[in-house]
Amino acid sequence: NAGVTQTPKFRILKIGQSMTLQCTQDMNHNYMYWYRQDPGMGLKLIYYSVGAGITDKGEVPNGYNVSRSTTEDFPLRLELAAPSQTSVYFCASSYWAGGYNEQFFGPGTRLTVL
Amino acid sequence: KNEVEQSPQNLTAQEGEFITINCSYSVGISALHWLQQHPGGGIVSLFMLSSGKKKHGRLIATINIQEKHSSLHITASHPRDSAVYICAVVVSGTYKYIFGTGTRLKVLA
Repeated sequence: NAGVTQTPKFRILKIGQSMTLQCTQDMNHNYMYWYRQDPGMGLKLIYYSVGAGITDKGEVPNGYNVSRSTTEDFPLRLELAAPSQTSVYFCASSYWAGGYNEQFFGPGTRLTVL
Repeated sequence: KNEVEQSPQNLTAQEGEFITINCSYSVGISALHWLQQHPGGGIVSLFMLSSGKKKHGRLIATINIQEKHSSLHITASHPRDSAVYICAVVVSGTYKYIFGTGTRLKVLA
């Protein structure tokens, strides 16, 4: 099993450009998450999904969009990139049906917006 | 005040030292997750625990639910242990994680 994979690993964008960060998991997890990690801060939840076709906002959703057409894939779309979106982005997944929830993380995408 | 607080924020140790990183939280939890992140690297799971103590190699994690506190210990520290250690709590009855800001550990040879 590859676990959670993310592409690309690094990207530099110009202000106003758009891009999609890809995330795939092969563990048949129902929940998937996108986080951003800024220096000196804990990870913040951008969006999450409880299953194919169902997504919801996290703490910091502005400037981002997601979709989940399959169980495996959960892409994150940045429209009109801004310098404030310079961050490290982590995708995670988990199987949660009550009880406690263990999340598994991808390797991250380092994004710089200039 | 953050709901998850880690201490210290930064720690420098000599190789071979015993290291303790602390995590305190103020919410009800179903579990606590210790994570490791090497510089420029991804996030790796170390321990998930809901009570007591777990050990893996030179790493030991403990949790006291009544005191809302967890510790991560590293015995016989090594330069390869240099990383950021992140404490995350799973809010009781939910999917939700709340993350600490991390402890940056540097172990000198």
